Order: sequence, then C-alpha cells, then structure tokens
Amino acid sequence: EIVLTQSPGTLSLSPGERATLSCRASQSVRSNYLAWYQQKPGQTPRLLIFGASTRATDIPDRFSGSGSGTDFTLIISSLGPEDFAVYYCQQYGSALLGTFGQGTKVEIK
Amino acid sequence: EVQLVESGGGLVQPGGSLRLSCAASGFTLSNYEVNWVRQAPGKGLEWVSFISSSGSTIYYADSVKGRFTISRDNRKETVFLQMNSLRGEDTATYYCAREGAYQLLLTLWGQGTLVTVSS
Repeated sequence: EIVLTQSPGTLSLSPGERATLSCRASQSVRSNYLAWYQQKPGQTPRLLIFGASTRATDIPDRFSGSGSGTDFTLIISSLGPEDFAVYYCQQYGSALLGTFGQGTKVEIK
Repeated sequence: EVQLVESGGGLVQPGGSLRLSCAASGFTLSNYEVNWVRQAPGKGLEWVSFISSSGSTIYYADSVKGRFTISRDNRKETVFLQMNSLRGEDTATYYCAREGAYQLLLTLWGQGTLVTVSS
C-alpha cells in the first residue's frame, strides 16, 4: 500500500500570496496518477488536478500541479479569498490503491 | 443539473445497520463506476468501496470488508451501500462519487449523508 504524506499540515498565508503544498508517496506513483482535491468548509470535495499536472474543467490557471515518481507539488500562484480550504492529494488508477493524503489546510494569516 | 444525491444516513446504535442510497440527476448513472468515500468529523477522506458500471467488479477497504456491501440497480439508476455491524469509528459523512476516465479519479461528488453510530 502506498502512503501519501502531505506537508505542511497547515499553511497560514495572506490573500495574494503564493501557496506551495507538498505530497510525498512512499513508493513511486504509477503513470503519475496523482490528483489534488479542494474541500472548502462545509462543502464537498472538488477535483482540481489529475495526472499530476492537468487542471480539471473550470479550474483557474492560478492552480498548477507538478512532480513525478514520489514527489508532487500543488501551487496556488496568488491566493484568492475563495482558495482558503483543505487540499488533499490522492493516488488513483486502481481502487485497491486509491489512498488519500491526510490533507493540508490553507488558512488566512 | 448534473448531480449525485445521497440519502439514508442517520443515528444508529453500535451493531446496527443502515442502507445508504446514491441517485443521479442530469446524467445516466448506469454508465459510470461509482465509489463511496467517507469523512469522519474533522478528519480526512477515506475511500470505502467501488462498484463498476455493470456491478460485476466490487472492491472494499479493509476497514469495512465483511460488514459493508455495495450494490447497484441500474434500472433505478441508484447505487447502494448496505452497512452492517456498525461501529463508532464508522461515524462519518458518506459521499458517493462518480469516476472519470480513470479508476478512482472522482470527478463528481454528492453532498454527503451523515452516519452517526452511537448508543
């Protein structure tokens, strides 16, 4: 089983700042099948990024993903007020391997 | 509007059972694989179960194997999660989610239904 470890646990930033979130896998992620989801308080999760770097439909270009193998990064280039949320990485491609990271909370400083 | 709607959550005693339902609107659910994902209060996301579009392939997380059963009725465009022998640690919001082009890439989520296991 691949374990996904996200860091930091909490990121305290001001609107307009750049956010850098990390997701590290205990083993190489097959075919870069790594996704990022956003969950705002009281809301359902929403797919942001898949294939490590491809934005999902209607996701603004201030969100970008990168990485391969075991190290992946989500960058929010300039935080908008609506971006303060919890972000989860997830390995997909097989239901038997579909683990989530523990999440990174991006909060207003 | 394209959406998934869960129902069936509630308060149940330890050892009890509940049946969750997941219905679709705005699209044909029988064309899609569906997963259940849960989230304990204040905690992260945990994948629970997968069912293929035909219902022929099913997977479970180890934490629910032998206690939960996923099924679907494609004539009624509904997916079910039968939960038996419920424990306190099963307390969570349960989301059904539709897959995209890849297994377990969850492109559409329902709003969730809360299951509370407590005496």
